[in-house]
Amino acid sequence: KQEVTQIPAALSVPEGENLVLNCSFTDSAIYNLQWFRQDPGKGLTSLLLIQSSQREQTSGRLNASLDKSSGRSTLYIAASQPGDSATYLCAVRPGSGNTGKLIFGQGTTLQVKP
Amino acid sequence: DTAVSQTPKYLVTQMGNDKSIKCEQNLGHDTMYWYKQDSKKFLKIMFSYNNKELIINETVPNRFSPKSPDKAHLNLHINSLELGDSAVYFCASSQGQPYVHEQYFGPGTRLTVT
Repeated sequence: KQEVTQIPAALSVPEGENLVLNCSFTDSAIYNLQWFRQDPGKGLTSLLLIQSSQREQTSGRLNASLDKSSGRSTLYIAASQPGDSATYLCAVRPGSGNTGKLIFGQGTTLQVKP
Repeated sequence: DTAVSQTPKYLVTQMGNDKSIKCEQNLGHDTMYWYKQDSKKFLKIMFSYNNKELIINETVPNRFSPKSPDKAHLNLHINSLELGDSAVYFCASSQGQPYVHEQYFGPGTRLTVT
């Protein structure tokens, strides 16, 4: 059974710092992995989608890496800003079956202090 | 121009009542989903529809019944509401087969059962 874990559960950093959020999954047979951002009281916004054949994806100050063999993904945020404060969720789609569902971690709540 | 919209945003009701949540997407996507986010912020898939056909029906109580009148709409009807149904319900959509491409989420409906 696939399980997704995100550590730490919460993180507070000063503005300008580079930071890394971690996501680990127990079964390396995944189809893809997606990072989302959730603002309080809002829905999820997709940040990056990494297919199983890819090693990383970049969008602006965000870089997500994927290491299937070790069951890990990291989300790197460069030069953090107060506007980056939110909860970051990773989700994996298992590789088996045609209708594999997304399995979410509990998220890391990030606070960037001015 | 809202991509995925849900109504209502907040819903407070008593145990035993029947309620519906509506979802609409104007992205032209083929697949729509309902997720439940509990008090611990865990997101779990409930249902997925592809071209108006139910393709995933997770082990949710049969008091929950999704209905898709067309590709752009996926409504969720809940009978005999219970306290444990209190949660935030998110609708989402994506193009093509489920979970292959990025999912776009609605703002959520916060359901409180008293």
